[in-house]
Amino acid sequence: AQSVTQLDSQVPVFEEAPVELRCNYSSSVSVYLFWYVQYPNQGLQLLLKYLSGSTLVKGINGFEAEFNKSQTSFHLRKPSVHISDTAEYFCAVSAMPSGGSYIPTFGRGTSLIVHP
Amino acid sequence: EADIYQTPRYLVIGTGKKITLECSQTMGHDKMYWYQQDPGMELHLIHYSYGVNSTEKGDLSSESTVSRIRTEHFPLTLESARPSHTSQYLCASSQDKPQEKLFFGSGTQLSVL
Repeated sequence: AQSVTQLDSQVPVFEEAPVELRCNYSSSVSVYLFWYVQYPNQGLQLLLKYLSGSTLVKGINGFEAEFNKSQTSFHLRKPSVHISDTAEYFCAVSAMPSGGSYIPTFGRGTSLIVHP
Repeated sequence: EADIYQTPRYLVIGTGKKITLECSQTMGHDKMYWYQQDPGMELHLIHYSYGVNSTEKGDLSSESTVSRIRTEHFPLTLESARPSHTSQYLCASSQDKPQEKLFFGSGTQLSVL
């Protein structure tokens, strides 16, 4: 079985400050990792994903994430946030269990609140 | 970009009523999912489908049922709604590859009184 832990339920930050949203996962097999964003009253949309290769992944809206296999982490970062980045952010993992199929597992989400 | 639609957007209903939450996608995706979302909680998978006439229960026990008679349509039904069913229900679809992203609908916020 796979699981995702988002360590912070809420992250308040001032506009133009850097931010990091933390995500750790557990899985006994190789994984694909995703970050999704959910703006108020909308569905989730993909920010970025890690499949293989370079451990630093760049996504939309200036976000990036780094895959760290030894620490089983996939933290999301942005060097300078905007008010419009206020949203819920979900980390997700997709892996193939032995004899099974890929079903994505999501964390509980981190609410990013950007203050002016 | 989103070509996946959920209706209704909001639903307030009394206990004991039968309800169906609709979900349709126009991308020809084989895999479709229903997640339940509560504030501060993980998105819990309640049902998924690999294709027509294929449905499976997810990791969260649910009293709801689903059907997949057509590729594009994946409705969720509650035979007798209860206040414990109050939640946000998210429908999603994807290609049948683990590296492919999920496309989500805007959700249905269900309130059972």
